This record gives sequence, structure tokens and C-alpha cells, in this order.
Amino acid sequence: GENVEQHPSTLSVQEGDSAVIKCTYSDSASNYFPWYKQELGKRPQLIIDIRSNVGEKKDQRIAVTLNKTAKHFSLHITETQPEDSAVYFCAARNTPLVFGKGTRLSVIA
Amino acid sequence: DVKVTQSSRYLVKRTGEKVFLECVQDMDHENMFWYRQDPGLGLRLIYFSYDVKMKEKGDIPEGYSVSREKKERFSLILESASTNQTSMYLCASSLAMSNGYTFGSGTRLTVV
Repeated sequence: GENVEQHPSTLSVQEGDSAVIKCTYSDSASNYFPWYKQELGKRPQLIIDIRSNVGEKKDQRIAVTLNKTAKHFSLHITETQPEDSAVYFCAARNTPLVFGKGTRLSVIA
Repeated sequence: DVKVTQSSRYLVKRTGEKVFLECVQDMDHENMFWYRQDPGLGLRLIYFSYDVKMKEKGDIPEGYSVSREKKERFSLILESASTNQTSMYLCASSLAMSNGYTFGSGTRLTVV
């Protein structure tokens, strides 16, 4: 089955800097790669996703890139703000979603 | 906006009890899922269902069962609760397998 590795497990950045979270997946048949943000005490919420026929997708300060050959995808957050502090999960899918273990991002003001 | 509602935010149960966690979605989604979330382990799939009365095992089904008698409702059952089932349980739904999920707010279950 699918296996998703996510790095780093924790990340601290200064406000205004960029943050990058990386994930690798094992199943070349996976075709959908969403990212979820979970604030403290709240439910995970979808923030951006990408499908396997696209290499990059951008939504304001957030972008996701996908390298199908290398089987890895990354989340990029530019101009970070304190409200970006949360746990971020990547996921990959061939059938149900398989999640990475999460990255706790802290943005220091 | 799709709503996924979990009936309890916090539950405390005793070892050996039968526990029911309820999840209801209001947007006619075909697929429903149960995950448990533990620190350092991320989200692990327990069971999922792609249609009424259909169920599939996820990665960690042992000690759990599910029921989906109606399209909008997906129940997780702990047949005999144990302390290692203390966790946050998250329900999710999606319109199709190729879509993103909408999660419920979670049920924090403590088994004592």
C-alpha cells in the first residue's frame, strides 16, 4: 500500500520568512495530493491540493509542487504570518488518503 | 458548506465498555471515513465506507467495527474499549474518492 513520509516534523521560522514542508510517497499510482492545516483544537482543513497531471499550483501565499518521477511533493508558504502556525499534513491517494505524520509549524513574530 | 458533525466532543469510558461514536454529514457524500489521530503518528485510517451498508478495513481496524445503515451516518464501534484506544477520533466525508475530505471536529475519547 501507499506510504507517505513527511519532513520536517517541526519547523520554526521568523515572521515574513518562507516555510517549506516536503513529502515523499511510494505508490506511483497515487494521483491526488492534498495538504491540510490543523490549528490547535480544530479540525484539519484542506488548504490546497494538486493532481498528478499538474506540476505546480499556487493560491496566494501558498504553493504546492509535485515531482512524479521522484515521487515527492512540497508545500511552500511565503511571507509567513503568526496565523500560519499550525500542524500541516500532506496526503497521497490511490484509494483512501494516506497521511504523513504532520509538521508543526511555528511562526515567530 | 459541507458539515460533518460528530456527536460528542469529549467522552470518558471505562475499560470493557462498548462505545459508539457517531458521525453525520449533510451533503449527500458517498464516502465516509474514520481516522484516529495520535501525537507523532499522524492520521491513521480505521475504516471507510463508499456506500450504504458497505465497509472496508483501513490500516488499523483491530478492535473496531463500523456501521453505515444510512448514507449520511457512519458509526464507529469499539466493541470492548481498552486504554490503548484513548485517542482523538476524526470522521471525514468526500463526494468521490478523487475529492478532498471534509473533517468533523473530532471526538476525544479517554478510556480509563
